[in-house]
Amino acid sequence: AQSVTQPDIHITVSEGASLELRCNYSYGATPYLFWYVQSPGQGLQLLLKYFSGDTLVQGIKGFEAEFKRSQSSFNLRKPSVHWSDAAEYFCAVVNMEYGNKLVFGAGTILRVKS
Amino acid sequence: KAGVTQTPRYLIKTRGQQVTLSCSPISGHRSVSWYQQTPGQGLQFLFEYFSETQRNKGNFPGRFSGRQFSNSRSEMNVSTLELGDSALYLCASRGSLAGLETQYFGPGTRLLVL
Repeated sequence: AQSVTQPDIHITVSEGASLELRCNYSYGATPYLFWYVQSPGQGLQLLLKYFSGDTLVQGIKGFEAEFKRSQSSFNLRKPSVHWSDAAEYFCAVVNMEYGNKLVFGAGTILRVKS
Repeated sequence: KAGVTQTPRYLIKTRGQQVTLSCSPISGHRSVSWYQQTPGQGLQFLFEYFSETQRNKGNFPGRFSGRQFSNSRSEMNVSTLELGDSALYLCASRGSLAGLETQYFGPGTRLLVL
């Protein structure tokens, strides 16, 4: 079965520092991958997605992610974090064996210190 | 385009009662999915409707049910509420059932069962 692992439950970075959130997936073929962000009490907002082609994808709010097939990873990065980036981040993969539903990781809570 | 809307945003119920949540998808989207989000279990898929038919179902008891209307609006019903049903219920819509079709999420309905 397809699965997603986000190894870090919490991450704290200083404002202006770079950020990398890790995501590993389990799937045999080329997966469809997403990163969503959730602010407290809110729904999920799509940051970026990967389907095929260029392995470095750009998203909104200055985020990017790199797909690495050899490592089964899809890590999210941002060169300079802003206080408003504090939120919970979810990596997700499409389960093509089960109606193309989304399977989410457990999430990573990002704290930004000034 | 207006986003996905969910009503009500907050609900308080007591054990044994039933509840109905509503979701209006993005205009033109025919698929509506429901997810339950809890601190312990994370984001879990409940079911998906497309053109008034349930296409996929997650691993939840029969107390959880849903339906979709001809205008693509969807309702989710939970009968005989239990304390463990307290959660944020998220609705998402997409234009088709294709794996690469992005799901757009609403703000959620927060249900508290006392």
